[in-house]
Amino acid sequence: QQPVQSPQAVILREGEDAVINCSSSKALYSVHWYRQKHGEAPVFLMILLKGGEQKGHEKISASFNEKKQQSSLYLTASQLSYSGTYFCGGRWDTGFQKLVFGTGTRLLVSP
Amino acid sequence: DTEVTQTPKHLVMGMTNKKSLKCEQHMGHRAMYWYKQKAKKPPELMFVYSYEKLSINESVPSRFSPECPNSSLLNLHLHALQPEDSALYLCASSQGDTELFFGEGSRLTVL
Repeated sequence: QQPVQSPQAVILREGEDAVINCSSSKALYSVHWYRQKHGEAPVFLMILLKGGEQKGHEKISASFNEKKQQSSLYLTASQLSYSGTYFCGGRWDTGFQKLVFGTGTRLLVSP
Repeated sequence: DTEVTQTPKHLVMGMTNKKSLKCEQHMGHRAMYWYKQKAKKPPELMFVYSYEKLSINESVPSRFSPECPNSSLLNLHLHALQPEDSALYLCASSQGDTELFFGEGSRLTVL
């Protein structure tokens, strides 16, 4: 049931854009996005609750295509502080609130 | 300051020891989670307590046992662990299908 993310890793120069994808083999109820820096706990970025929903804040946004069981995270004009590992998290029901993290995408932004 | 507090931050134990990890939150959240994270891997869900109901990841061995004394406390009892159980153990809480707030984690080493 673990969501699969792509790419596994990406290296950017400061100011470049990136897209991280998250795919599920089973219909998702909601998708979360988190960023984790080395040695720290994951930090929440955003949650998408409906198919077709798009959300964003500052230069980070995301979409959720319920039909394709897919979510994408868009990072525009990347900053050094964006470096870290990005995880999507999937929920498949409204019951136990189990949140299963995806395989992860390591992002490195260089000057 | 994190609103989810985990103790201890570091724990070293032998394979015959019994120890516990503790987690506390004061945000009134009704769901609390234990995740296990190995280096360069995503957090792996172990247990969820949601509205006093326990959900278990069936792949978690019985040498790990959760305890929820009240809605703001979540313990993880450890007994007869193996060296491969060495990892970062993350506690989190949430209210409904909203963001997970993570503690800083407890780094466990089993000798």
